[in-house]
Amino acid sequence: GESVGLHLPTLSVQEGDNSIINCAYSNSASDYFIWYKQESGKGPQFIIDIRSNMDKRQGQRVTVLLNKTVKHLSLQIAATQPGDSAVYFCAEITNTGGFKTIFGAGTRLFVKA
Amino acid sequence: EAQVTQNPRYLITVTGKKLTVTCSQNMNHEYMSWYRQDPGLGLRQIYYSMNVEVTDKGDVPEGYKVSRKEKRNFPLILESPSPNQTSLYFCASSQQGDQPQHFGDGTRLSIL
Repeated sequence: GESVGLHLPTLSVQEGDNSIINCAYSNSASDYFIWYKQESGKGPQFIIDIRSNMDKRQGQRVTVLLNKTVKHLSLQIAATQPGDSAVYFCAEITNTGGFKTIFGAGTRLFVKA
Repeated sequence: EAQVTQNPRYLITVTGKKLTVTCSQNMNHEYMSWYRQDPGLGLRQIYYSMNVEVTDKGDVPEGYKVSRKEKRNFPLILESPSPNQTSLYFCASSQQGDQPQHFGDGTRLSIL
């Protein structure tokens, strides 16, 4: 597959444990945030999103937390599975008249069976 | 099946030889975007389009052109490619700019 990040921060967790991936975003005016998962050789896939008027949103096994005070976003994955192994990116969208998207550098999650 | 299709998937070419990477989506999305992905830098937005005939620069537009003559297509044009444009490129689309984007499988460009 394609190498998408040779020097990414890496999080290694045991199967069944919970994972927390963190992201610091750059623009206090950003009003929409998304977490994407990227597997080797593929494009990013949507996981969960949150708007700036919320501080928490839950999906199936995933939760996103937003702290606007410190411009911090986190993704929590419950009961992590080997299939969760991938690179995870946060993205912030800012309405500048158009919608600009800025991605974080990514975190590689490695799940040990 | 809903999808974003990019072509070619791989291309090796030489400096200065114009090339076009095509992108097509079948979801009637208004918003389309191009990104490049380089090791350790995540994805950086090159250009985006809010709708037909509406395009705008992202963070790294230098050396690239785009057009949006039809809703489904958003080609990326490198008029005079240079080695620093060697990268993995992704096209994406969404119904609106503030909604999750669907990504293509990527195009690996190598400029020698």
